[in-house]
Amino acid sequence: EAQVTQNPRYLITVTGKKLTVTCSQNMNHEYMSWYRQDPGLGLRQIYYSMNVEVTDKGDVPEGYKVSRKEKRNFPLILESPSPNQTSLYFCASSLLARTSGSTDTQYFGPGTRLTVL
Amino acid sequence: DQQVKQNSPSLSVQEGRISILNCDYTNSMFDYFLWYKKYPAEGPTFLISISSIKDKNEDGRFTVFLNKSAKHLSLHIVPSQPGDSAVYFCAATDSGSARQLTFGSGTQLTVLP
Repeated sequence: EAQVTQNPRYLITVTGKKLTVTCSQNMNHEYMSWYRQDPGLGLRQIYYSMNVEVTDKGDVPEGYKVSRKEKRNFPLILESPSPNQTSLYFCASSLLARTSGSTDTQYFGPGTRLTVL
Repeated sequence: DQQVKQNSPSLSVQEGRISILNCDYTNSMFDYFLWYKKYPAEGPTFLISISSIKDKNEDGRFTVFLNKSAKHLSLHIVPSQPGDSAVYFCAATDSGSARQLTFGSGTQLTVLP
């Protein structure tokens, strides 16, 4: 089954304790991305990757790191989490890194609910 | 400054009637628009899209209308069904921008039986 998986689904942690949220896709997609969803703000992009070893900042990258060493995996790293990073996080992937009016879409994982105390 | 706005946080509609969800954008570079649907405890799933070269796209019960001069799009669901109850996100992209999607804040649609 084609899917994007994230782990863990739920995480409660304390300020300053490093954590990693994993993301994996089995569709051989080039493009992967991380979003956070907050009430009243919708989904905001944190980082994205157009292919292996190619990553770039989205709209809200502060406090986050990513890596893309393999095509299928795109982990999100919080080196020193703070309470303002409490949020619902989504990983997404799509086939092509750049399109022009195509119907290619992003496929989302189920989400990771993070609470930083 | 939000470039994609969904001004109605919630909408309730009777089963069988039409649901109309609205979305406004400010960035004139956006040329591709999408609607995503999200159920609780799941990730958003793609619903329907429209390119800026069109003003309407239809897929079964779902139709998206684009008014470029007003920078406005809407999603029509006819007839609405209880299973359509979900949060709907409008998203937009500039197709020359490495596929970054800018999302609205979402509208919770409740279809009453």
